[in-house]
Amino acid sequence: NAGVTQTPKFQVLKTGQSMTLQCAQDMNHEYMSWYRQDPGMGLRLIHYSVGAGITDQGEVPNGYNVSRSTTEDFPLRLLSAAPSQTSVYFCASSLRVEDTEAFFGQGTRLTVV
Amino acid sequence: AQTVTQSQPEMSVQEAETVTLSCTYDTSESDYYLFWYKQPPSRQMILVIRQEAYKQQNATENRFSVNFQKAAKSFSLKISDSQLGDAAMYFCAYSPIQGAQKLVFGQGTRLTINP
Repeated sequence: NAGVTQTPKFQVLKTGQSMTLQCAQDMNHEYMSWYRQDPGMGLRLIHYSVGAGITDQGEVPNGYNVSRSTTEDFPLRLLSAAPSQTSVYFCASSLRVEDTEAFFGQGTRLTVV
Repeated sequence: AQTVTQSQPEMSVQEAETVTLSCTYDTSESDYYLFWYKQPPSRQMILVIRQEAYKQQNATENRFSVNFQKAAKSFSLKISDSQLGDAAMYFCAYSPIQGAQKLVFGQGTRLTINP
């Protein structure tokens, strides 16, 4: 059982480039989320999804797009990377609304130069 | 909007001693969940303990326990018999009663264990 898998683990982008951070879970979890972690600020919610075809914005959604075409996958897209998006990105999933434990992937360290 | 504040950026403790990490939060909700997550250098986020706000009894998991003061909106983590493997960043987090996918995190406390 792989849990929550994020790829890649590390990435360097040039300003203006686009890329997709991948997140997949094999636990049949309905709920998936993306967070970013910046020094001194903890983790902040970017986007989340309560099921296939349903997404919503979190605290810091600007500059990021998401879609949820399957239960397993929840990719995060950066359309035009900016240095302010340099961060560590975490994907998380949970089984259902009343299930309170979120399972996290191992994170993607993204640097935008 | 809910907020979570950890006022101790760094803490240190001698191995085998007890340490308490502080957390305060702000919410207008009466029911919610509170969590402590551990993040070792591997970056993996590991759930340490959780507390349901409607439960008066403080949660305990082996050497980890919390002091939940609902009226004061305080949620501290006590680590007893500290071990070298406890060294990590610790994050306090809040979630609404419906929504583990919408966690609100504090800034984190870096815990160092001195041998």
